[in-house]
Amino acid sequence: AQSVTQLDSQVPVFEEAPVELRCNYSSSVSVYLFWYVQYPNQGLQLLLKYLSGSTLVESINGFEAEFNKSQTSFHLRKPSVHISDTAEYFCAVSDTGRRALTFGSGTRLQVQP
Amino acid sequence: DAGVTQSPTHLIKTRGQQVTLRCSPKSGHDTVSWYQQALGQGPQFIFQYYEEEERQRGNFPDRFSGHQFPNYSSELNVNALLLGDSALYLCASSLGQRGGSPLHFGNGTRLTVT
Repeated sequence: AQSVTQLDSQVPVFEEAPVELRCNYSSSVSVYLFWYVQYPNQGLQLLLKYLSGSTLVESINGFEAEFNKSQTSFHLRKPSVHISDTAEYFCAVSDTGRRALTFGSGTRLQVQP
Repeated sequence: DAGVTQSPTHLIKTRGQQVTLRCSPKSGHDTVSWYQQALGQGPQFIFQYYEEEERQRGNFPDRFSGHQFPNYSSELNVNALLLGDSALYLCASSLGQRGGSPLHFGNGTRLTVT
């Protein structure tokens, strides 16, 4: 069984400032890691994923996450946030043989002008 | 290219009643998964359907059941509704059963049990 811990329930940040959303996971087997974003009254959208290979993965809108196996972490970062990044962000894990995702409880990113 | 569509968008039911939620997967996808998202929490996996069979199930009671049709669409049924069943129910589709390919989520059905 896997578990995901998102250490911050809310992260307020000013526009154009850098941000890091923290995610730690627990698993006894190899995993795939994901970040999803949820805007109000919408479903989840995939932001980025780690399957294998380079431990640094990037999204098309400037987010990046680094898989750290020794620390069992997959923190999400963006060097400069925009108002439009305001949303709920979920970290998720699945083992490599199954598709069911285990989600963290989410981090609400609030970007202030 | 239509994404994942769910119906209805909102639903209000009374305790003890039964409810059916529907999902049409993204074009080209053959696997459907259902998740329950309680207010302020992350989604929790209910079950996954592939080739019209339940392939994987999360920690949910038998009151939760589902079905997948030959056209890959799916239904989620919940019997004997409890107040605690109030949540956003998300359907996600993907191609194939195994991990790695990303899930595409619908906008969900908001179920309120009174």
